[in-house]
Amino acid sequence: EPEVTQTPSHQVTQMGQEVILRCVPISNHLYFYWYRQILGQKVEFLVSFYNNEISEKSEIFDDQFSVERPDGSNFTLKIRSTKLEDSAMYFCASSGWTGNTIYFGEGSWLTVV
Amino acid sequence: AQKVTQAQTEISVVEKEDVTLDCVYETRDTTYYLFWYKQPPSGELVFLIRRNSFDEQNEISGRYSWNFQKSTSSFNFTITASQVVDSAVYFCALSEAEDYKLSFGAGTTVTVRA
Repeated sequence: EPEVTQTPSHQVTQMGQEVILRCVPISNHLYFYWYRQILGQKVEFLVSFYNNEISEKSEIFDDQFSVERPDGSNFTLKIRSTKLEDSAMYFCASSGWTGNTIYFGEGSWLTVV
Repeated sequence: AQKVTQAQTEISVVEKEDVTLDCVYETRDTTYYLFWYKQPPSGELVFLIRRNSFDEQNEISGRYSWNFQKSTSSFNFTITASQVVDSAVYFCALSEAEDYKLSFGAGTTVTVRA
C-alpha cells in the first residue's frame, strides 16, 4: 500500500540552527501538507501546497518556515533558525484532492536544545 | 473558535468492552468531511474512517462503527470488543469544502486493560 515517508525520524538540533525535514508523498497525490504536534497536544495545521505553491498557511507558519518541492517526488519543510518552542513532531501528509483522505507519514520528531 | 470538540480526555476499559468516542464539530459549510485518526504510542497518525456531509448512512467496518448525525453535529466512533492493541489517542478531524486543511480535536486517550 502506498505511504508517505519522512526523514529523519528524529533530529536533535541546537537552537538557532537550520533544519530541513524531508518527505516523499504518495506518488499520484496532488496536495501536500505539513502539520505539527507539540508533545501531548493536538495536531496543528502548518501549511498546504498545491501546484508548486503554498495554497494556505496557518499563523504558526511564519517567516522562519518555508516549504519546497525541489523535484517530482520530495517535499521539504525548512526551519531557518530553530527555537526551543519548535520542538515537536512534524507530520507530512498528502491527498489526491481537497476533501479526500489525507494520509500522514510517521512523523519527524524535532528536539531543539 | 474550536471547530472540533472531543469532550472525553481519557477512557479506560477492560478488554472486550465496547468504547464510544464522542466528537462534536462546528461548520457553516454544507459540504464537509469528517475523519477519525488513531495515534498509537509509536506516534504515527493512522487513518481510520472518513465520512462526507451528504451521506449520513452509518456503517460498520470490522470492529469499528460510527454514528454521524448532522442534526446534532456529532460524529461518534465506536470500537466493539476492544483489544489491548486499540490503546491509542484517537483524533476526530474536520475538513471543510474548498479548504485544504484538517482541523483536529484535542484527542481522546483510550487505554484498554487486559
